[in-house]
Amino acid sequence: DAGITQSPRHKVTETGTPVTLRCHQTENHRYMYWYRQDPGHGLRLIHYSYGVKDTDKGEVSDGYSVSRSKTEDFLLTLESATSSQTSVYFCAISPGTGTRTEAFFGQGTRLTVV
Amino acid sequence: AQSVTQLGSHVSVSEGALVLLRCNYSSSVPPYLFWYVQYPNQGLQLLLKYTSAATLVKGINGFEAEFKKSETSFHLTKPSAHMSDAAEYFCAVSDQSTDKLIFGTGTRLQVFP
Repeated sequence: DAGITQSPRHKVTETGTPVTLRCHQTENHRYMYWYRQDPGHGLRLIHYSYGVKDTDKGEVSDGYSVSRSKTEDFLLTLESATSSQTSVYFCAISPGTGTRTEAFFGQGTRLTVV
Repeated sequence: AQSVTQLGSHVSVSEGALVLLRCNYSSSVPPYLFWYVQYPNQGLQLLLKYTSAATLVKGINGFEAEFKKSETSFHLTKPSAHMSDAAEYFCAVSDQSTDKLIFGTGTRLQVFP
């Protein structure tokens, strides 16, 4: 299995509080992605990174920010959590894109905002 | 921007029957397409990928998919369903212009004995 660790695995937080989810990899892959999974919506891309300090927005980036100061770590921050951000969050890594795309997923973080 | 559409959010088959999960793509350039599977309470794992080398792609667990440019389709098939195939399946496309990996909304496969 690819070395991807998401933490925490479960979190309950209150509306309005900041929350940070961590994705750690041991594969030295260039690309890292954050998705959220919701019934009926599949996986929607929040943000992604194509290198250290290189990030870009996905399709549902409002209310989220990311940082990647090291190759191995990609942090997702909910600046002020809302109930609509209750979801399962997945991190994925890939050595490249196009023909080199080989995305490996973490086990997910279940976030509940109350 | 490239995208994929999965037709049918739920598919039910009997054990031993053909499995057909549908995926259509939208792309102005040759796409790179993928099928992933998600078992309950787990992350996603790659079943197979199309990268233009061959139109019929074989994956793990007896699954295969055929790239049809004329139909802009990349449907996933398995000749004979097994109970262990019950899971959610996602089609995805790698957007070459943005490096994004975009997923469809998923199809939940149920297999009845």
